[in-house]
Amino acid sequence: NAGVTQTPKFQVLKTGQSMTLQCAQDMNHEYMSWYRQDPGMGLRLIHYSVGAGITDQGEVPNGYNVSRSTTEDFPLRLLSAAPSQTSVYFCASSTRGGTEAFFGQGTRLTVV
Amino acid sequence: AQSVTQLDSHVSVSEGTPVLLRCNYSSSYSPSLFWYVQHPNKGLQLLLKYTSAATLVKGINGFEAEFKKSETSFHLTKPSAHMSDAAEYFCVVSELGNEKLTFGTGTRLTIIP
Repeated sequence: NAGVTQTPKFQVLKTGQSMTLQCAQDMNHEYMSWYRQDPGMGLRLIHYSVGAGITDQGEVPNGYNVSRSTTEDFPLRLLSAAPSQTSVYFCASSTRGGTEAFFGQGTRLTVV
Repeated sequence: AQSVTQLDSHVSVSEGTPVLLRCNYSSSYSPSLFWYVQHPNKGLQLLLKYTSAATLVKGINGFEAEFKKSETSFHLTKPSAHMSDAAEYFCVVSELGNEKLTFGTGTRLTIIP
Protein backbone atom coordinates (compact mmCIF):
# COMPACT_ATOMS: atom_id res chain seq x y z
CA ASN A 1 0.00 0.00 0.00
CA ALA A 2 1.44 3.35 -1.04
CA GLY A 3 -0.85 5.37 1.26
CA VAL A 4 -0.88 9.08 0.38
CA THR A 5 1.45 10.12 -2.44
CA GLN A 6 2.34 13.74 -3.16
CA THR A 7 4.20 15.04 -6.18
CA PRO A 8 6.45 16.87 -6.65
CA LYS A 9 8.55 16.82 -3.48
CA PHE A 10 10.23 20.14 -4.27
CA GLN A 11 9.25 23.01 -6.57
CA VAL A 12 10.49 26.51 -7.28
CA LEU A 13 8.11 28.91 -9.00
CA LYS A 14 8.37 32.46 -10.19
CA THR A 15 5.83 34.98 -9.00
CA GLY A 16 2.74 34.81 -11.20
CA GLN A 17 3.27 31.26 -12.42
CA SER A 18 0.63 28.62 -11.90
CA MET A 19 1.05 24.98 -10.97
CA THR A 20 -0.74 21.95 -9.61
CA LEU A 21 0.34 19.93 -6.60
CA GLN A 22 -0.77 16.34 -6.98
CA CYS A 23 -2.16 14.11 -4.22
CA ALA A 24 -3.32 10.54 -4.60
CA GLN A 25 -4.42 7.94 -2.05
CA ASP A 26 -5.08 4.24 -2.50
CA MET A 27 -7.00 3.55 0.72
CA ASN A 28 -10.47 4.40 -0.62
CA HIS A 29 -10.79 7.20 1.92
CA GLU A 30 -13.74 9.53 1.52
CA TYR A 31 -12.10 12.50 3.16
CA MET A 32 -9.09 14.38 1.74
CA SER A 33 -7.56 17.69 2.67
CA TRP A 34 -4.69 20.07 2.00
CA TYR A 35 -2.67 21.86 4.68
CA ARG A 36 0.17 24.30 4.59
CA GLN A 37 2.89 24.35 7.24
CA ASP A 38 4.67 27.55 8.13
CA PRO A 39 7.21 28.06 10.93
CA GLY A 40 5.58 28.72 14.29
CA MET A 41 2.05 28.29 12.91
CA GLY A 42 1.52 24.55 12.82
CA LEU A 43 -0.52 23.23 9.91
CA ARG A 44 -3.45 25.23 8.57
CA LEU A 45 -6.27 23.81 6.49
CA ILE A 46 -6.53 25.14 2.93
CA HIS A 47 -9.32 23.08 1.33
CA TYR A 48 -10.98 19.78 2.02
CA SER A 49 -13.28 17.29 0.36
CA VAL A 50 -15.72 14.79 1.89
CA GLY A 51 -16.13 12.84 -1.33
CA ALA A 52 -15.89 12.96 -5.10
CA GLY A 53 -17.48 16.13 -6.46
CA ILE A 54 -17.65 17.85 -3.05
CA THR A 55 -15.11 20.41 -1.85
CA ASP A 56 -15.10 23.21 0.69
CA GLN A 57 -12.83 25.93 1.98
CA GLY A 58 -10.69 25.68 5.05
CA GLU A 59 -8.95 28.35 7.09
CA VAL A 60 -6.63 29.77 4.37
CA PRO A 61 -8.19 29.13 0.93
CA ASN A 62 -7.27 32.34 -0.91
CA GLY A 63 -5.07 31.80 -3.97
CA TYR A 64 -5.80 28.06 -4.17
CA ASN A 65 -8.31 25.96 -6.09
CA VAL A 66 -9.21 22.29 -5.73
CA SER A 67 -11.41 19.75 -7.43
CA ARG A 68 -12.25 16.13 -6.64
CA SER A 69 -13.29 14.19 -9.71
CA THR A 70 -12.33 10.78 -8.29
CA THR A 71 -12.07 9.27 -4.80
CA GLU A 72 -8.33 8.77 -5.25
CA ASP A 73 -7.11 12.19 -6.42
CA PHE A 74 -7.26 15.66 -4.90
CA PRO A 75 -5.04 18.15 -6.75
CA LEU A 76 -4.29 21.63 -5.38
CA ARG A 77 -3.91 24.42 -7.93
CA LEU A 78 -2.04 27.64 -7.38
CA LEU A 79 -3.55 30.14 -9.78
CA SER A 80 -0.90 32.88 -9.68
CA ALA A 81 1.92 32.10 -7.29
CA ALA A 82 2.97 34.71 -4.73
CA PRO A 83 5.96 34.72 -2.34
CA SER A 84 3.47 34.40 0.55
CA GLN A 85 2.66 30.92 -0.75
CA THR A 86 6.18 29.72 -0.02
CA SER A 87 5.48 26.86 2.38
CA VAL A 88 5.44 23.12 2.87
CA TYR A 89 2.18 21.58 1.69
CA PHE A 90 0.73 18.37 3.07
CA CYS A 91 -2.12 16.31 1.72
CA ALA A 92 -4.05 14.03 4.09
CA SER A 93 -6.80 11.46 3.81
CA SER A 94 -9.07 9.70 6.28
CA THR A 95 -12.29 7.81 6.65
CA ARG A 96 -15.30 9.75 7.93
CA GLY A 97 -15.84 10.08 11.67
CA GLY A 98 -12.87 11.98 13.10
CA THR A 99 -10.45 9.07 12.92
CA GLU A 100 -6.75 9.04 12.11
CA ALA A 101 -5.56 11.10 9.14
CA PHE A 102 -2.80 9.75 6.92
CA PHE A 103 -0.38 12.33 5.58
CA GLY A 104 1.77 12.48 2.48
CA GLN A 105 5.46 13.31 2.69
CA GLY A 106 4.90 16.93 1.76
CA THR A 107 5.76 19.30 -1.09
CA ARG A 108 8.23 22.08 -0.36
CA LEU A 109 7.29 25.06 -2.52
CA THR A 110 9.38 28.19 -2.95
CA VAL A 111 8.02 31.19 -4.83
CA VAL A 112 10.64 33.72 -5.90
CA ALA B 1 -15.32 26.22 17.14
CA GLN B 2 -12.30 24.13 18.04
CA SER B 3 -8.81 25.28 18.98
CA VAL B 4 -5.62 23.95 20.47
CA THR B 5 -2.93 25.65 22.53
CA GLN B 6 0.47 24.07 22.95
CA LEU B 7 1.90 25.76 25.99
CA ASP B 8 5.60 25.38 25.13
CA SER B 9 7.17 26.11 21.77
CA HIS B 10 10.43 24.42 22.79
CA VAL B 11 11.22 21.79 25.43
CA SER B 12 14.70 20.47 26.24
CA VAL B 13 15.29 17.40 28.40
CA SER B 14 18.26 15.18 29.12
CA GLU B 15 18.36 11.68 27.73
CA GLY B 16 16.78 9.25 30.18
CA THR B 17 14.64 11.88 31.95
CA PRO B 18 10.85 12.28 31.65
CA VAL B 19 9.18 14.21 28.86
CA LEU B 20 6.10 16.41 29.31
CA LEU B 21 4.57 18.27 26.38
CA ARG B 22 1.51 20.31 27.32
CA CYS B 23 -1.65 20.81 25.31
CA ASN B 24 -4.96 22.51 26.12
CA TYR B 25 -7.93 22.35 23.80
CA SER B 26 -11.27 24.04 23.24
CA SER B 27 -14.21 22.35 21.58
CA SER B 28 -17.96 22.80 21.45
CA TYR B 29 -18.51 19.07 21.09
CA SER B 30 -16.94 15.85 22.28
CA PRO B 31 -13.57 16.06 20.56
CA SER B 32 -11.15 13.56 19.14
CA LEU B 33 -7.62 14.47 20.17
CA PHE B 34 -4.36 13.40 18.60
CA TRP B 35 -0.63 13.80 18.97
CA TYR B 36 1.43 13.72 15.78
CA VAL B 37 5.22 13.73 15.51
CA GLN B 38 7.29 15.20 12.70
CA HIS B 39 10.96 14.35 12.39
CA PRO B 40 13.14 16.80 10.43
CA ASN B 41 12.17 17.01 6.76
CA LYS B 42 9.65 14.20 7.17
CA GLY B 43 5.90 13.84 7.06
CA LEU B 44 3.63 13.49 10.08
CA GLN B 45 3.22 10.27 12.03
CA LEU B 46 0.40 9.55 14.46
CA LEU B 47 1.66 8.93 18.00
CA LEU B 48 -1.67 8.34 19.69
CA LYS B 49 -5.34 9.30 19.64
CA TYR B 50 -8.24 9.79 22.04
CA THR B 51 -11.73 9.13 20.70
CA SER B 52 -13.96 8.97 23.82
CA ALA B 53 -12.83 5.57 25.08
CA ALA B 54 -10.23 5.26 27.88
CA THR B 55 -8.94 8.60 29.12
CA LEU B 56 -5.36 7.32 29.40
CA VAL B 57 -4.13 6.62 25.91
CA LYS B 58 -0.99 4.68 25.10
CA GLY B 59 0.82 5.29 21.84
CA ILE B 60 3.90 4.23 19.98
CA ASN B 61 7.48 4.49 21.24
CA GLY B 62 6.47 4.62 24.91
CA PHE B 63 4.42 7.81 24.71
CA GLU B 64 1.10 8.24 26.46
CA ALA B 65 -1.41 11.02 27.05
CA GLU B 66 -4.25 11.59 29.48
CA PHE B 67 -7.51 13.25 28.48
CA LYS B 68 -8.73 15.50 31.32
CA LYS B 69 -12.09 17.01 30.46
CA SER B 70 -12.26 19.16 33.61
CA GLU B 71 -8.94 20.78 32.73
CA THR B 72 -9.46 20.64 28.92
CA SER B 73 -5.97 19.20 28.65
CA PHE B 74 -4.31 16.39 26.72
CA HIS B 75 -0.67 16.41 27.82
CA LEU B 76 1.86 14.04 26.23
CA THR B 77 4.33 12.19 28.46
CA LYS B 78 7.13 9.65 28.23
CA PRO B 79 8.96 8.24 31.26
CA SER B 80 12.44 8.25 29.73
CA ALA B 81 13.58 10.33 26.76
CA HIS B 82 15.65 8.84 23.96
CA MET B 83 17.78 10.67 21.45
CA SER B 84 15.48 9.49 18.66
CA ASP B 85 12.58 11.41 20.28
CA ALA B 86 14.04 14.70 19.09
CA ALA B 87 11.35 16.08 16.75
CA GLU B 88 8.43 18.48 16.52
CA TYR B 89 5.20 17.40 18.17
CA PHE B 90 1.72 18.62 17.27
CA CYS B 91 -1.41 18.40 19.36
CA VAL B 92 -4.50 18.18 17.14
CA VAL B 93 -8.26 18.38 17.78
CA SER B 94 -11.14 17.20 15.63
CA GLU B 95 -14.80 17.41 16.62
CA LEU B 96 -16.51 14.05 16.22
CA GLY B 97 -18.01 13.77 12.77
CA ASN B 98 -15.93 16.69 11.56
CA GLU B 99 -12.72 15.59 9.94
CA LYS B 100 -11.28 19.08 9.80
CA LEU B 101 -8.19 18.93 11.96
CA THR B 102 -7.04 21.94 13.96
CA PHE B 103 -3.35 21.87 14.79
CA GLY B 104 -1.47 23.49 17.60
CA THR B 105 1.59 25.52 16.72
CA GLY B 106 3.92 22.69 17.69
CA THR B 107 6.50 21.94 20.38
CA ARG B 108 10.07 21.27 19.37
CA LEU B 109 11.62 18.63 21.63
CA THR B 110 15.39 18.65 22.04
CA ILE B 111 17.18 15.79 23.79
CA ILE B 112 20.44 16.63 25.56
CA PRO B 113 22.98 13.76 25.55
